[in-house]
Amino acid sequence: QKEVEQDPGPLSVPEGAIVSLNCTYSNSAFQYFMWYRQYSRKGPELLMYTYSSGNKEDGRFTAQVDKSSKYISLFIRDSQPSDSATYLCAMSDGWGKFQFGAGTQVVVTP
Amino acid sequence: GAVVSQHPSRVICKSGTSVKIECRSLDFQATTMFWYRQFPKKSLMLMATSNEGSKATYEQGVEKDKFLINHASLTLSTLTVTSAHPEDSSFYICSARPRDSYRHIYNEQFFGPGTRLTVL
Repeated sequence: QKEVEQDPGPLSVPEGAIVSLNCTYSNSAFQYFMWYRQYSRKGPELLMYTYSSGNKEDGRFTAQVDKSSKYISLFIRDSQPSDSATYLCAMSDGWGKFQFGAGTQVVVTP
Repeated sequence: GAVVSQHPSRVICKSGTSVKIECRSLDFQATTMFWYRQFPKKSLMLMATSNEGSKATYEQGVEKDKFLINHASLTLSTLTVTSAHPEDSSFYICSARPRDSYRHIYNEQFFGPGTRLTVL
């Protein structure tokens, strides 16, 4: 079993819709949860990070962490074609190493 | 701020040759740099962790004699793929952790743009 599971997609949504992404994990030591956006042939860029459980909102992005269920989510409101990318979840126990999900490819159609 | 560069962005080489990839933190000092490998539509796989001035720590299954890592300064780490073979073709990404990160409990990492290696 992989430590972090993420559906690779692709996930296709019409412009303006809400994009819903999620990851599950098995290691209860994870305390830091990140979401990265990666455009084709580019390095990942940090979108959101959350410590422990709870919600965090930044503009059109909302990250949720449910440690009891070992489940994290990212929501993108009012999606735009420019949001088309691969979204990677990442987790850390605080000692530096990140475990990444496989990444979900998102396509926002005009 | 917090920009990480990689050079070259893409390289094509013949089987059996060695290729060096540079990772630089442009506007901060990085005590730790990480090297990842990414296959198409796959996740980032951590290869090794390098700390300035000390030997790199390799993940299980990664050949240290194959992938030589040198972290000679607080702004530069290099990955050398020795005697490259077609199966080494991949997207290599580095990341750097700032030396004076005020969010040290989060252990933030800033990623480079990646280097695409193709071995013929």
